[in-house]
Amino acid sequence: DTGVSQDPRHKITKRGQNVTFRCDPISEHNRLYWYRQTLGQGPEFLTYFQNEAQLEKSRLLSDRFSAERPKGSFSTLEIQRTEQGDSAMYLCASSPVGASSGNTIYFGEGSWLTVV
Amino acid sequence: DQQVKQNSPSLSVQEGRISILNCDYTNSMFDYFLWYKKYPAEGPTFLISISSIKDKNEDGRFTVFLNKSAKHLSLHIVPSQPGDSAVYFCAASDRGSGNTGKLIFGQGTTLQVKP
Repeated sequence: DTGVSQDPRHKITKRGQNVTFRCDPISEHNRLYWYRQTLGQGPEFLTYFQNEAQLEKSRLLSDRFSAERPKGSFSTLEIQRTEQGDSAMYLCASSPVGASSGNTIYFGEGSWLTVV
Repeated sequence: DQQVKQNSPSLSVQEGRISILNCDYTNSMFDYFLWYKKYPAEGPTFLISISSIKDKNEDGRFTVFLNKSAKHLSLHIVPSQPGDSAVYFCAASDRGSGNTGKLIFGQGTTLQVKP
């Protein structure tokens, strides 16, 4: 399977703990995105990488959130000192660069976070 | 500020009939629109897209219509099948502003197709 892969799929953590999610994009895609989705809402943009450079961050991404893509391949999203409001599905997506690709991005299965 | 709106939270249709899902947007800079389908506990799956230079794009049972003057798009599914039951998200992108590929999503419409 060469789709976007996310790990773990589910995470339950106590408030105040740190969590980290990993995303492996489609191999030839140099753009990588993190989105967050809560119940009843559409995915909300968090941040975006082109290769290893983090080019945009949403104001939704508080100081407790940090994302990295050190070698331009996989990415990690860390949430420090988790709060109950962080409970959501965290979605990773990737896309190639180029006019022919339109702006279609391809999502992974998502990582569910529950903060108790 | 909800730039992409799906005003119908749910839609129920009979198998074999047409499903029409609607989406409105406010940002006139959006020039690329997509529909995604999502099953519970899974990530969204790309369904169909349309560029602002077109007013219609068709792919099998799925057709997307774009009315730029009204800032409105719709997804038609015909004939609807029970396997189409899912949440459908409309998304939009402004490819001109640095072309980041960032998508803005609507809230979603839950489609139920009854056998």
